[in-house]
Amino acid sequence: DVKVTQSSRYLVKRTGEKVFLECVQDMDHENMFWYRQDPGLGLRLIYFSYDVKMKEKGDIPEGYSVSREKKERFSLILESASTNQTSMYLCASSSMGLGETQYFGPGTRLLVL
Amino acid sequence: GENVEQHPSTLSVQEGDSAVIKCTYSDSASNYFPWYKQELGKRPQLIIDIRSNVGEKKDQRIAVTLNKTAKHFSLHITETQPEDSAVYFCAAPKGTGRRALTFGSGTRLQVQP
Repeated sequence: DVKVTQSSRYLVKRTGEKVFLECVQDMDHENMFWYRQDPGLGLRLIYFSYDVKMKEKGDIPEGYSVSREKKERFSLILESASTNQTSMYLCASSSMGLGETQYFGPGTRLLVL
Repeated sequence: GENVEQHPSTLSVQEGDSAVIKCTYSDSASNYFPWYKQELGKRPQLIIDIRSNVGEKKDQRIAVTLNKTAKHFSLHITETQPEDSAVYFCAAPKGTGRRALTFGSGTRLQVQP
C-alpha cells in the first residue's frame, strides 16, 4: 500500500518567515510533485522532480524552491512567506513512465499571517 | 505547455441520474488522460484513465470518452449515488517525459438523495 506523508497537517507562519514543507514516500517512486490547491483553481503544479537532485518548474514556481537530496524525500521551501501563499499544499509521487498513478499525501494547510 | 479546461465547475444531480463532466486540452501530442476524485477533506485519488489509442473505457458505473480530433474527453457517471458527491479533476500530461500532470480546475458534483 503506497504511503505518502507530509510533515504537518496545519501550519501558521508570519510574513517573511522561511517555511519548509516536507514530503516522504515509501514506494521507491522516481517522481515527486508539489501542488497547491485553491478554490476554483484546481491543483496547480509548483515543482516536480524525476530523480534525486533533479527538479523542473511547474506552472507556478515563483516564490518557491525545492530540494530532493534523497529519493524518498521532497521538500518545498518558501524562502520568504507571503500572505498570497496561504493555501493547501499537496505532495504526490509516482513511478517512472507515462500514465503512472500519482499518489497524494494528506496535504498541509498553510496560513501566512 | 499543456492547458486543460474543465466544465462545469459545479453540478447537482438527483440520485440515480447521470452526470457528465467535460475537459478540453491544448497539446495534440497528449496521449494519457486521468480522472481524479477528491472527497471532502481527503486526498485526490485516481478513479479512471484513458490512453489515446482507445475512444472509450468503462469501469462499472463510470466511463471516460476521448475525442482526439476535437481534443476533448469526458467523464460519465451513471446511476449516481450520494457517495459520488466529490470534486472531480481531469488532467493531461506535461513536462519532461510527460511525467507531470496539468489538472483542470475541478467540478464539484453534488448528488441529491
